Parts: sequence; structure tokens; C-alpha cells
Amino acid sequence: DVKVTQSSRYLVKRTGEKVFLECVQDMDHENMFWYRQDPGLGLRLIYFSYDVKMKEKGDIPEGYSVSREKKERFSLILESASTNQTSMYLCASSYNLGRSYEQYFGPGTRLTVT
Amino acid sequence: EDQVTQSPEALRLQEGESSSLNCSYTVSGLRGLFWYRQDPGKGPEFLFTLYSAGEEKEKERLKATLTKKESFLHITAPKPEDSATYLCAVRAGTASKLTFGTGTRLQVTL
Repeated sequence: DVKVTQSSRYLVKRTGEKVFLECVQDMDHENMFWYRQDPGLGLRLIYFSYDVKMKEKGDIPEGYSVSREKKERFSLILESASTNQTSMYLCASSYNLGRSYEQYFGPGTRLTVT
Repeated sequence: EDQVTQSPEALRLQEGESSSLNCSYTVSGLRGLFWYRQDPGKGPEFLFTLYSAGEEKEKERLKATLTKKESFLHITAPKPEDSATYLCAVRAGTASKLTFGTGTRLQVTL
């Protein structure tokens, strides 16, 4: 079974703080993704990575950065948290070959910025 | 730009009352259509991938079908434990990323 884990289920941070969200997958997947999910807006892609040290912007990268130093680990960084970054953050991973592009998700981190 | 539209937004069924959820898409070069189930406060759980028109996949009370413009998730004789949000996503061209719809929130009551 694919296992994607995220460092925290719930997180409360203050405006202006630097926030790190970490994701680890155990399936040797090449691709890793960070999404945020908000009511009525669905899942929106923030950044993704198709290899170690490689990254691409998604649909809403502003205010975020990412780091992938090891294949199994993908970090999302909020450089200076703001209240409009309060959201559910979901990490996912997938293979990058053949037809198997289905993404497997972690349990999510509910981030509240006050 | 790839677009995925799911309908209805919400659906309430009685136990045993079969129905279908719709996912219509506009993409350039479909390379896969994916269905997920998401329970409140949890990450989406992968259900099916469909690749070409006419393809069908089944799992317990769920059956997914695909045409050139839309996909249906048929739920036969649903039970309360089928209550969840069902998400549809597409992959287009050579992209690794998926484009998601906003989901259908299904509630099955006794």
C-alpha cells in the first residue's frame, strides 16, 4: 500500500511566521505535489516536483516555496504566513512513467494563521 | 485551459436508492480520468482511472464509465458508509499534474 505522511494534522501559526509543512512518501514515486483545498474552490495545485531538486509552479505559487532534497521528501514553506493562507494542505505523490499517473494523497494538514 | 465540472454539487439519497454523479471535462488530449473519494477532514482516496471512451471500472457498489466528453460514477444500492465527497480529475497531454473538479458531496441516509 502506498503511504504518504504529513508532518502535522493541525497547525496554528501567527501572521508573519515562517511555516514548514513536510511530506514523506514510501513508494519511490518520482512526482510529488502540494495542494491547498478550500470550500467551493476545490483542490488547487501550489507546486510540484518531478525529481530531486526539480520543481515547477502550479496554479497558485505566490507566497509559497518548496524544497525537495531527497526523493521521498517534499517540503512546502510559507515564508511569511498570512491569514489568507489558512487552509487544508494536501500532499500527493505519483509515478512518472507509463500510464500510472494516479496520485496518492496524505491525510492533510489543517493550517490556521491568526 | 483544462476544465472539469462536476454535478450535482450535493446529492442526498436514501439507502438503496441508486444514482449517478457526473463529471464533464474539456481537455486537449485526455491521458486519464481519475475518481477519488474524500471523507471529511481526510485526504482523497484513489478509486479508479479510466483512459479511453467506453472503458468501465467497478468496485463494490461503484461503477465508473467514460465517454469522450464526460464520466459517470454510478452508485448502486448505496449505504450510509458511501457518504463522502467524490472528486473527479483529468490528466492531459504530457503533463504530470491533474486538474480537479470541485466534487459532489453525497449523503446517504437510512
